[in-house]
Amino acid sequence: GENVGLHLPTLSVQEGDNSIINCAYSNSASDYFIWYKQESGKGPQFIIDIRSNMDKRQGQRVTVLLNKTVKHLSLQIAATQPGDSAVYFCAERGWGGKLIFGQGTELSVKP
Amino acid sequence: EAGVAQSPRYKIIEKRQSVAFWCNPISGHATLYWYQQILGQGPKLLIQFQNNGVVDDSQLPKDRFSAERLKGVDSTLKIQPAKLEDSAVYLCASSLGPTETDRGYTFGSGTRLTVV
Repeated sequence: GENVGLHLPTLSVQEGDNSIINCAYSNSASDYFIWYKQESGKGPQFIIDIRSNMDKRQGQRVTVLLNKTVKHLSLQIAATQPGDSAVYFCAERGWGGKLIFGQGTELSVKP
Repeated sequence: EAGVAQSPRYKIIEKRQSVAFWCNPISGHATLYWYQQILGQGPKLLIQFQNNGVVDDSQLPKDRFSAERLKGVDSTLKIQPAKLEDSAVYLCASSLGPTETDRGYTFGSGTRLTVV
């Protein structure tokens, strides 16, 4: 079946350091992936996406890497700030456009 | 544009009681989703609507959960009777269409349900 999961449930980094959050997926046919950020008491918020015909995509301070060979996604956050503290989810787009979410990684930024 | 509106924000009920959640999607969004998010987990799809029709309700516990979107705009999700394991955040999301989900959906802030 379809499954998207994360390697680490928690990640603690120092302010200014770079953060790397990982995700494994199982459906090799998935063609589109999204990273979401979810702050306490809020719904998930879009960060960055990537299609399966790409292996890297950059945004403002964020980069997503896709390795289709091992079915692995990562989210890199440069110069992590306290405002980046949140839970991060990867999601893959399945049949009918529905998004299938992984467990999530909680990022904690120490000042 | 206005976001996805959900109410109430919080609800506490006793087990075996009933509860209803309301969602108003972004104007013009034909597709509406209800997700259940248990603490510490990623959101899980319960039901997907396209206008007023159900596209996917395979993960909806139909013995106790029901949802409707009668006029193809706002939607109501109901639980009757509630169980302790229904304690979760119920998220509503919308998109222009089922295949127009580039950049994903827009989520509401959710309703946090506690069943005691």
